[in-house]
Amino acid sequence: DQQVKQNSPSLSVQEGRISILNCDYTNSMFDYFLWYKKYPAEGPTFLISISSIKDKNEDGRFTVFLNKSAKHLSLHIVPSQPGDSAVYFCAASPYYGQNFVFGPGTRLSVLP
Amino acid sequence: DADVTQTPRNRITKTGKRIMLECSQTKGHDRMYWYRQDPGLGLRLIYYSFDVKDINKGEISDGYSVSRQAQAKFSLSLESAIPNQTALYFCATSVAGDQPQHFGDGTRLSIL
Repeated sequence: DQQVKQNSPSLSVQEGRISILNCDYTNSMFDYFLWYKKYPAEGPTFLISISSIKDKNEDGRFTVFLNKSAKHLSLHIVPSQPGDSAVYFCAASPYYGQNFVFGPGTRLSVLP
Repeated sequence: DADVTQTPRNRITKTGKRIMLECSQTKGHDRMYWYRQDPGLGLRLIYYSFDVKDINKGEISDGYSVSRQAQAKFSLSLESAIPNQTALYFCATSVAGDQPQHFGDGTRLSIL
């Protein structure tokens, strides 16, 4: 049973538009969440995080929203650029320092 | 130079062979991890180490072993490789368990 789910394996968006990537989790103990971005032939790189004391965290074009009651988070990319085309992983952890659980990833394609 | 270096980057081998994947880091982090990535399953934790004397099993440790030779080196062994261990393997490091991890570029392992 996957504790972290990313139900869309892939997503295509036009350049300049908003990309919305979704992540759902089942463990109510999860308190800290990360998004990673992965290009082919490279390892994942950290993108943005959010803890349960917030419902939104913003870094440039990237914003993560957390809805704890729904056990749902989303990553918004505005505006989307072709260089954003990658696989995005959501990861979750209880805040007291246990290891992260990763979702299966969503492949984003930003079309010029 | 990469902060987290994995060798080899690609390996093809036969069932029953012993394989060692190596990871070294220059980030000075105490925590090191080994993951495998399979299509549709995301990253799953095999083993992790908090320091040289502390090694722990992850979600899918069966069929694998590890060695933490130094703070900077963490190797993963497959004692007798089997085809369902064909996957992309990642090494990662972190300052603490709830902090973002820094990944190597992966080792693509194929077992025939």
